[in-house]
Amino acid sequence: AQTVTQSQPEMSVQEAETVTLSCTYDTSESDYYLFWYKQPPSRQMILVIRQEAYKQQNATENRFSVNFQKAAKSFSLKISDSQLGDAAMYFCAYRREDSGYALNFGKGTSLLVTP
Amino acid sequence: KAGVTQTPRYLIKTRGQQVTLSCSPISGHRSVSWYQQTPGQGLQFLFEYFSETQRNKGNFPGRFSGRQFSNSRSEMNVSTLELGDSALYLCASSQGQSSYEQYFGPGTRLTVT
Repeated sequence: AQTVTQSQPEMSVQEAETVTLSCTYDTSESDYYLFWYKQPPSRQMILVIRQEAYKQQNATENRFSVNFQKAAKSFSLKISDSQLGDAAMYFCAYRREDSGYALNFGKGTSLLVTP
Repeated sequence: KAGVTQTPRYLIKTRGQQVTLSCSPISGHRSVSWYQQTPGQGLQFLFEYFSETQRNKGNFPGRFSGRQFSNSRSEMNVSTLELGDSALYLCASSQGQSSYEQYFGPGTRLTVT
């Protein structure tokens, strides 16, 4: 079974600064998807960014970017120019390419943004 | 387009009862997945339905079941509720092909007393 590990239960960043959230995963598959989801206090889960394993180029979405290291099975999320609205739980998730939509989530990292 | 809706949003049940939760996916989406979120276990996949067929199933006891209707709406049922079933139950929908995204609903908060 695939496992996803987020080693940082809590992180803190000052407004306008940059923060990196870590995620590692374990799989024997070669084709899969990786995701970062954000869950603000309102509880609605929102997709932040995704990465296809076959793509070498790191995904970027505005202030959010990932560092995908396939050989190391590492998938970190970098948030640049942090904003107060970025405060939330961030979940790293893995999905096999052929498994429909069965996501394996990490335990999450709680991000606090201070003014 | 309206987002994923889940009803009810909050529910309180007694141990031993059963409960049915409902999820209406985004219009045009054919896949519906269910997840259980608890402080201790985190987010765990329950099952996924695609075109009225269960396509994937997580590691949950048979007390947890689901179904999907022809309009893609989905229900999940938990029988013989236990205290440990208290959780936020999230539903997510997608168009169905693996390249497409999943969109989550706001969840149903179930409390078992």
